[in-house]
Amino acid sequence: DGGITQSPKYLFRKEGQNVTLSCEQNLNHDAMYWYRQDPGQGLRLIYYSQIVNDFQKGDIAEGYSVSREKKESFPLTVTSAQKNPTAFYLCASSIDPPGQGTDTQYFGPGTRLTVL
Amino acid sequence: QQQVKQSPQSLIVQKGGISIINCAYENTAFDYFPWYQQFPGKGPALLIAIRPDVSEKKEGRFTISFNKSAKQFSLHIMDSQPGDSATYFCAASTPHSGAGSYQLTFGKGTKLSVIP
Repeated sequence: DGGITQSPKYLFRKEGQNVTLSCEQNLNHDAMYWYRQDPGQGLRLIYYSQIVNDFQKGDIAEGYSVSREKKESFPLTVTSAQKNPTAFYLCASSIDPPGQGTDTQYFGPGTRLTVL
Repeated sequence: QQQVKQSPQSLIVQKGGISIINCAYENTAFDYFPWYQQFPGKGPALLIAIRPDVSEKKEGRFTISFNKSAKQFSLHIMDSQPGDSATYFCAASTPHSGAGSYQLTFGKGTKLSVIP
């Protein structure tokens, strides 16, 4: 089964704690992305990575960090510096670095993070 | 600044009717316009996409109409069914122009309800 997996599906965090969201893909895609979704706000880009060991900030990177040590994995850490972290987090990947082929992004099932 | 404006926010259509969702953009560098469908608690899935060299693209009951001069594009769902009830997002992207320049910019979404 090829696809993108995100874990956990639901995550609860106390204020002041860092938490890491997992994203794994077995599609052999080069590029991976993290989005945040809030009701009525659409999807907003947090970070993206075009290749291993390289990543770029998106529109709302403050309070978040990422790593890309393996092609298959792109974990997102929500730090205590993120003031309003409760949201639905979506990971995506695409087959080519953007603009060099199809720009289609394939999404995982998402992780819903709630800060208590 | 919102680069892709989507309307309406919500839409109620009777079964068998036509659902129409509109998007407008400002950045003339956009060259790829996908539509995504999202069911509650799930990640978005690519529905249909168009590039500005064509004015219309049809896949089954779904059609994208594209008006380059007006900088607008729309999704038409013919013979709408209750199973089409979901949130629909339009998006746009620019060609890759060097390291770190890519973004897929999303509209804020339209919640479609198809009633029997």
